[in-house]
Amino acid sequence: QVQLQESGPGLVKPSETLSLTCTISGGSVSSGSYYWSWIRQPPGKGLEWIGYMYDSGNFKYNPSLKSRVTISVEKSENQFSLKLTSVTAADTAVYYCARAAYDSGSPYFDLWGQGTLVTVSS
Amino acid sequence: SSELTQDPAVSVASGQTVRITCQGDSLRTSYATWYQQKPGLAPVLVIYGRHNRPSGIPDRFSGSSSGYTASLTITGAQAEDEADYYCNSRDSSGNHLVFGGGTKLTVL
Repeated sequence: QVQLQESGPGLVKPSETLSLTCTISGGSVSSGSYYWSWIRQPPGKGLEWIGYMYDSGNFKYNPSLKSRVTISVEKSENQFSLKLTSVTAADTAVYYCARAAYDSGSPYFDLWGQGTLVTVSS
Repeated sequence: SSELTQDPAVSVASGQTVRITCQGDSLRTSYATWYQQKPGLAPVLVIYGRHNRPSGIPDRFSGSSSGYTASLTITGAQAEDEADYYCNSRDSSGNHLVFGGGTKLTVL
């Protein structure tokens, strides 16, 4: 079955760039049916949608993060990635990659990675 | 603050029925999706689209909506249903996605 796995540094210094990769196994990032997404969850808090990539080259981002976020795709590696610039302690969170789809015009995330904790600290 | 509003906490006696709600302007035109999250684990999809239930989700979980409010109902709550529940849909512009703040369900 399709699985997602996040990878990347667990510690990032303030003002630097957070970089994470999601590797897809058992499926393809080039599938036109899905929206490959990043979601985060600060410790003890709720979920926040960061953004997604669809149709192998279109993107949508959370307006509150848009100026600092880039999602990209590496088709040859069957991966998609997240970059978040100028991080602060407020960006400390568990970061999830997830697969989204739409049903009756409404979004849903049906597949999630296990999540990776990224701590912003000097 | 989130564009989707949930009660922070709800409790239910084991075997009883509980309704968890999610309110927001976008729910007039979009369905809410519901996720269950247990400590230390990724969220799990429990209701999506026109109140569909993924395979493997018990039929005691059901979804409904009316106006600006979507509801997740657990009929005959079990101890294993104790978790955080999040709703998700489009934002009021329709162009982005949002999550509710989450509801912590305690099964007594």
